[in-house]
Amino acid sequence: GAVVSQHPSRVICKSGTSVKIECRSLDFQATTMFWYRQFPKQSLMLMATSNEGSKATYEQGVEKDKFLINHASLTLSTLTVTSAHPEDSSFYICSARDHGTLKGYGYTFGSGTRLTVV
Amino acid sequence: AQSVTQLDSQVPVFEEAPVELRCNYSSSVSVYLFWYVQYPNQGLQLLLKYLSGSTLVKGINGFEAEFNKSQTSFHLRKPSVHISDTAEYFCAVSEQGAQKLVFGQGTRLTINP
Repeated sequence: GAVVSQHPSRVICKSGTSVKIECRSLDFQATTMFWYRQFPKQSLMLMATSNEGSKATYEQGVEKDKFLINHASLTLSTLTVTSAHPEDSSFYICSARDHGTLKGYGYTFGSGTRLTVV
Repeated sequence: AQSVTQLDSQVPVFEEAPVELRCNYSSSVSVYLFWYVQYPNQGLQLLLKYLSGSTLVKGINGFEAEFNKSQTSFHLRKPSVHISDTAEYFCAVSEQGAQKLVFGQGTRLTINP
């Protein structure tokens, strides 16, 4: 079945530095990828939708200059948290859709990245 | 825009008892519906999905769900739960023709021995 690999699984960084999270579709081409943020004991909030080769579409309230998304190939999307602050600490999850319809794969999720900013 | 409501934030049940996790959605167009399970500090695993056809959908780990268009519901059921079913469960909806997947608030299922 479809597999999405997300790295790193955990990262601790100092306030003011930038962190990059990678999301790869391993056995299918993902023209569309999604980035979510999840606070403790809460649901997933969609941050942005990225389409291969074009700019990401950000949800209302998400700072696009702070959360940089790049989807340069059909198998890789990256989320860079720039100038991270403690309030950016959260669980970030990526998801990928395949090129075709929802039949077969649908939405496949990465295992998540726990970001802690100190 | 579509929305999803999971009516119970927490559901405690005893081992081997049946369980139902409720999900209602709102949309002006046809939808696809999903149930995911999340274990602590992990991503989401698909339990089942409704795309079209039979309204009763069977998924992994003995779970099933029934799509009820008139009641705009997609409740998740399992006839006999195990300790290992303790997790967070999310209902999600995607409007046909749209890209986004919108999640409900989640239901924490706790199985007591």
